[in-house]
Amino acid sequence: DAKTTQPPSMDCAEGRAANLPCNHSTISGNEYVYWYRQIHSQGPQYIIHGLKNNETNEMASLIITEDRKSSTLILPHATLRDTAVYYCIVRGAGGTSYGKLTFGQGTILTVHP
Amino acid sequence: GAVVSQHPSRVICKSGTSVKIECRSLDFQATTMFWYRQFPKKSLMLMATSNEGSKATYEQGVEKDKFLINHASLTLSTLTVTSAHPEDSSFYICSARVPGSFKTYGYTFGSGTRLTVV
Repeated sequence: DAKTTQPPSMDCAEGRAANLPCNHSTISGNEYVYWYRQIHSQGPQYIIHGLKNNETNEMASLIITEDRKSSTLILPHATLRDTAVYYCIVRGAGGTSYGKLTFGQGTILTVHP
Repeated sequence: GAVVSQHPSRVICKSGTSVKIECRSLDFQATTMFWYRQFPKKSLMLMATSNEGSKATYEQGVEKDKFLINHASLTLSTLTVTSAHPEDSSFYICSARVPGSFKTYGYTFGSGTRLTVV
């Protein structure tokens, strides 16, 4: 499994863009990067995922560096409801890790008025 | 689409009893499901991978006789915590891999079960 490193916490003002970084320097060529978030006492919610190219959906954008060793999740206009723990995960691509999502410690994002 | 229903959402049981948690895929067939546990203010820890029609694969350090997993159909996986003790109290979450969707979606999670053993 490629491990991920995220800052433990971040703050963001409501209405501004939230940029959440993730380092995955040991990622291999066929491993996808996934982002999920978890609001207290709920199951994780899918946000976005990608392999090489930048991705965008109705929730967020995912920017992956050319060497794929890091990525940034962008919430373009953060709201108070975006306050959650955000997990950056590399999906296992081989051996006993194939297909598994292994969660790291995540980033606690707090959006304030 | 791609909804996973987990039941019950909360359960309190007496020490020494067994508790069953169900995880159902509502609108797709899930050949592979995953079970996680989460302690307060901690991240999710993968416990086991459940494959329809075969034995579950447990992560290192997870007692397979304590946490029995059954995946008898393409829409249902169950986790039974046997002879529960207070240290088994935790938040248990299931997840299912949405088939053929690595490019689009991937994995969907249940809403979790809060188990309290008294």
